Amino acid sequence: DAGVIQSPRHEVTEMGQEVTLRCKPISGHNSLFWYRQTMMRGLELLIYFNNNVPIDDSGMPEDRFSAKMPNASFSTLKIQPSEPRDSAVYFCASSLGGFNTGELFFGEGSRLTVL
Amino acid sequence: GNSVTQMEGPVTLSEEAFLTINCTYTATGYPSLFWYVQYPGEGLQLLLKATKADDKGSNKGFEATYRKETTSFHLEKGSVQVSDSAVYFCALPFNNNAGNMLTFGGGTRLMVKP
Repeated sequence: DAGVIQSPRHEVTEMGQEVTLRCKPISGHNSLFWYRQTMMRGLELLIYFNNNVPIDDSGMPEDRFSAKMPNASFSTLKIQPSEPRDSAVYFCASSLGGFNTGELFFGEGSRLTVL
Repeated sequence: GNSVTQMEGPVTLSEEAFLTINCTYTATGYPSLFWYVQYPGEGLQLLLKATKADDKGSNKGFEATYRKETTSFHLEKGSVQVSDSAVYFCALPFNNNAGNMLTFGGGTRLMVKP
């Protein structure tokens, strides 16, 4: 079975450009998460969707970040305009709904470098 | 909300050495506790979990026991291999209503030398 698929795997862009990261969750999973990983701050939850609806976006750092989930099989994380401090690895994860099952399935991540 | 603290790395061991990575938590009630592992260039994957106090989670030779008295969930392995080199994360739900929304510790990098 295909796991969580993220694209692009690597992105290098210049400050001020728009960046769009994409995620395809595992079929049948109804929860989707975007995490950001940096050396300084570790893993941070940015936003959590359940049944395509954003449930908690309190981790989104600022208005430059936005996320959408137009259907059960696709989500995007957009940064506009990008800044060098946005450089990080962005992970998408999905899971089956359910309380405290705890098993998130992560994609391989999108490594973003903003120059 | 709930939180977790784990020992900083890196931890460097020789093959077949005993491993302990400490994790302590702060939580309301007794949520499930998890260890995730991240191999180089990959996303995180669930290693083991414990759903209630005194439970022991185990997988691939790793074990962790849910200790409510000491609010700890330390990861152990009796004999590490080079292939265990990875970053290990302790995790728990953000709060009692968080479902699968997990908060992770800072990660502990393990390096095993042949």
